[in-house]
Amino acid sequence: SQKIEQNSEALNIQEGKTATLTCNYTNYSPAYLQWYRQDPGRGPVFLLLIRENEKEKRKERLKVTFDTTLKQSLFHITASQPADSATYLCALDSGTYKYIFGTGTRLKVLA
Amino acid sequence: GAVVSQHPSRVICKSGTSVKIECRSLDFQATTMFWYRQFPKQSLMLMATSNEGSKATYEQGVEKDKFLINHASLTLSTLTVTSAHPEDSSFYICSARWNEKLFFGSGTQLSVL
Repeated sequence: SQKIEQNSEALNIQEGKTATLTCNYTNYSPAYLQWYRQDPGRGPVFLLLIRENEKEKRKERLKVTFDTTLKQSLFHITASQPADSATYLCALDSGTYKYIFGTGTRLKVLA
Repeated sequence: GAVVSQHPSRVICKSGTSVKIECRSLDFQATTMFWYRQFPKQSLMLMATSNEGSKATYEQGVEKDKFLINHASLTLSTLTVTSAHPEDSSFYICSARWNEKLFFGSGTQLSVL
């Protein structure tokens, strides 16, 4: 079955730097992959969707890449701010319109 | 944008009671909604898929008689935790799929004493 691996260790970076989060999956490459942000005690919020035929997708300070050869997606936040501190989840369609999520990576941006 | 409303946000109940959680899509019709459970610092675990007008589809290991799901309209799905016990204490989140994306409710923290 499809599995998603995200670095469960917290990532601490200095304000203004670029944060890079990694998402690896194990089996077939999905048609698209998504990233969500989750704040404590809240439901996840959709950020970006990238399709298998897209190498890169951008939205303001966010950038996502998708490498189907490596079975990996990278999520970048440039010029990071303390308000970017949250848990970031990678998700993909398991093939039956049911989404599976990684454990998420906690990002803390230090002022 | 698509908005999903979930209520209540927090509930504390005694062991043996039943708790109902509502999930509404406010500005779109959701023929399918999903119910997740999340433990602290863990990922979202899909419990069941709620289908409007038909029975819900439960994931392996999820007791359907324990977690009753009703999706009576295109904008409302409910999850009822029946005869709740302390081990049912968790964060429950609903979501609806729209345009390939999932939109989530704000979650319900259930604490069973």
